[in-house]
Amino acid sequence: AQSVTQLGSHVSVSEGALVLLRCNYSSSVPPYLFWYVQYPNQGLQLLLKYTSAATLVKGINGFEAEFKKSETSFHLTKPSAHMSDAAEYFCAVTRGGQAGTALIFGKGTTLSVSS
Amino acid sequence: GAGVSQSPSNKVTEKGKDVELRCDPISGHTALYWYRQSLGQGLEFLIYFQGNSAPDKSGLPSDRFSAERTGGSVSTLTIQRTQQEDSAVYLCASSLAQGSGNTIYFGEGSWLTVV
Repeated sequence: AQSVTQLGSHVSVSEGALVLLRCNYSSSVPPYLFWYVQYPNQGLQLLLKYTSAATLVKGINGFEAEFKKSETSFHLTKPSAHMSDAAEYFCAVTRGGQAGTALIFGKGTTLSVSS
Repeated sequence: GAGVSQSPSNKVTEKGKDVELRCDPISGHTALYWYRQSLGQGLEFLIYFQGNSAPDKSGLPSDRFSAERTGGSVSTLTIQRTQQEDSAVYLCASSLAQGSGNTIYFGEGSWLTVV
């Protein structure tokens, strides 16, 4: 069965520092992988997705993620954090089977950014 | 509409009462999904619709939960005899159905509190 594991439920960085949010996946088929962001009291918004094209995927707000099959990872990075990046981030993989287009989400990582 | 619309945005109900949550997907999206988000549990997949049929209902937590979709558009999630553990944010999402890499768009959720 497909699954994702997000390492670290809470990550704290200083403004201007590198952001690294970790995601490892398990999938019996070539995966489609996603990162979503949820700002306080808002719905989920797609940051970026991997659909078997380029392994380095660029998303909105300066975020990018690299698909590494050998490591079964899809970590999210941003070179320089802004205060506005403070939010909860979710990694997800397609569920497969009868609900092939539905997503299975990790438990989320809360990013805090301090000045 | 421009986005996924959910109603009510907030609902407080007494234990044992039935509740209905409504989702209006993005126009033209044939796939519709319900998720539940609660503290410490992340995003839990409930059910997926393709058109009016639900190929995968395996995520529904008990037989008190049911969902329907009519006309390939609006969906209703019904929780009968609500319990306190049903308190959560119920998120609806929709997507074009062709291919597992399609972006899934989320509504802002219905916050349910069972007292």
